[in-house]
Amino acid sequence: AQSVTQLGSHVSVSEGALVLLRCNYSSSVPPYLFWYVQYPNQGLQLLLKYTSAATLVKGINGFEAEFKKSETSFHLTKPSAHMSDAAEYFCAVTPSGGYQKVTFGIGTKLQVIP
Amino acid sequence: ETGVTQSPTHLIKTRGQQVTLRCSSQSGHNTVSWYQQALGQGPQFIFQYYREEENGRGNFPPRFSGLQFPNYSSELNVNALELDDSALYLCASSSIGGGGTDTQYFGPGTRLTVL
Repeated sequence: AQSVTQLGSHVSVSEGALVLLRCNYSSSVPPYLFWYVQYPNQGLQLLLKYTSAATLVKGINGFEAEFKKSETSFHLTKPSAHMSDAAEYFCAVTPSGGYQKVTFGIGTKLQVIP
Repeated sequence: ETGVTQSPTHLIKTRGQQVTLRCSSQSGHNTVSWYQQALGQGPQFIFQYYREEENGRGNFPPRFSGLQFPNYSSELNVNALELDDSALYLCASSSIGGGGTDTQYFGPGTRLTVL
């Protein structure tokens, strides 16, 4: 069984400030972890993924996430928020091997204040 | 390399009707997964097809069914539509085996409204 908890359904940051979106996971087997971004009325775009290689994963648009097994966390960060980062972000988990379903969190809506 | 495409973009149906949604997988991918995303929620897994056979199913009733074709395009069929079926339906393609990354690439979705 697997699950994802995203803390904070809405996060507001000022332009230029640090972005931190929290994700905790539960998985009975070693997981693969993903962050996706969704802009209004669009599908999901992959930001980054952890597949048991380096624990610090760098993605597109300046985002990165760190896999911490002891904390069962995979938080998403970006040093400096840009207006174009305003979107909804989903953390997702799947058992390593990826042959089964991907379980998504409920999403965190990021607002960037000018 | 072409991306994942879905059709139609929007669809309006009435309760009790049947609907077919279509997905064209990314080139070279052999697996397709379908998700339902209700308003304000994360995507919920419906089922996955690998080489034309169902390879896993989420907590959805049998009136949700699917097909995957030899060219790896796919259909999602929903019978006896209910109001709660109103959602964005996403398909995602991936590659299992042969060095595939297991990453799922999503299409733009079909917005289904049931009246």
